Amino acid sequence: AQKITQTQPGMFVQEKEAVTLDCTYDTSDPSYGLFWYKQPSSGEMIFLIYQGSYDQQNATEGRYSLNFQKARKSANLVISASQLGDSAMYFCAMDNQGGKLIFGQGTELSVKP
Amino acid sequence: DVKVTQSSRYLVKRTGEKVFLECVQDMDHENMFWYRQDPGLGLRLIYFSYDVKMKEKGDIPEGYSVSREKKERFSLILESASTNQTSMYLCASSSDGQGVNPQHFGDGTRLSIL
Repeated sequence: AQKITQTQPGMFVQEKEAVTLDCTYDTSDPSYGLFWYKQPSSGEMIFLIYQGSYDQQNATEGRYSLNFQKARKSANLVISASQLGDSAMYFCAMDNQGGKLIFGQGTELSVKP
Repeated sequence: DVKVTQSSRYLVKRTGEKVFLECVQDMDHENMFWYRQDPGLGLRLIYFSYDVKMKEKGDIPEGYSVSREKKERFSLILESASTNQTSMYLCASSSDGQGVNPQHFGDGTRLSIL
């Protein structure tokens, strides 16, 4: 069965420092996609970054990068130069069944000034 | 920008009522989804639809039904609301086009069943 695991319920980071949010996944399908979403306290889910299982390079989007280690089945999100506005819930998700997503439990990130 | 609009941000209903949650998207997306979000459990898929008048059960469909009469609108129905359906409900849509097709979410509906 497909599964996404986020083992960090909460994280703290100092403003301007980098932080890594962990995500491991389990699937037997060779073709899949991995997504990260941000959910501020207001509730909306914001798409951040995507990594395909066949992509040769790690995905990057501005201050966000995805540390994709296929053999270890991990897809950690790295946020560089943290800002106060980065404080939010972060969800890792996997798509390998025609557009359906499976989500992890989420990690609550708090950025300290 | 893709806009997914959910009819209510906050809703309070009574046990046994029939509850309708409405979702509309303006990007002509083929796929639409309903999730519920509970602390420590992430988002769980209730129902989804790949086309008009088509629906598929997700991981937790019990107690819910859906309707998709038009491409842009996907409704979630709680047939007889119960207190364990108190939750945050999120609607999403995505396209079938080439390339990366992330799901785009509405702002969510916080539903309380008393």
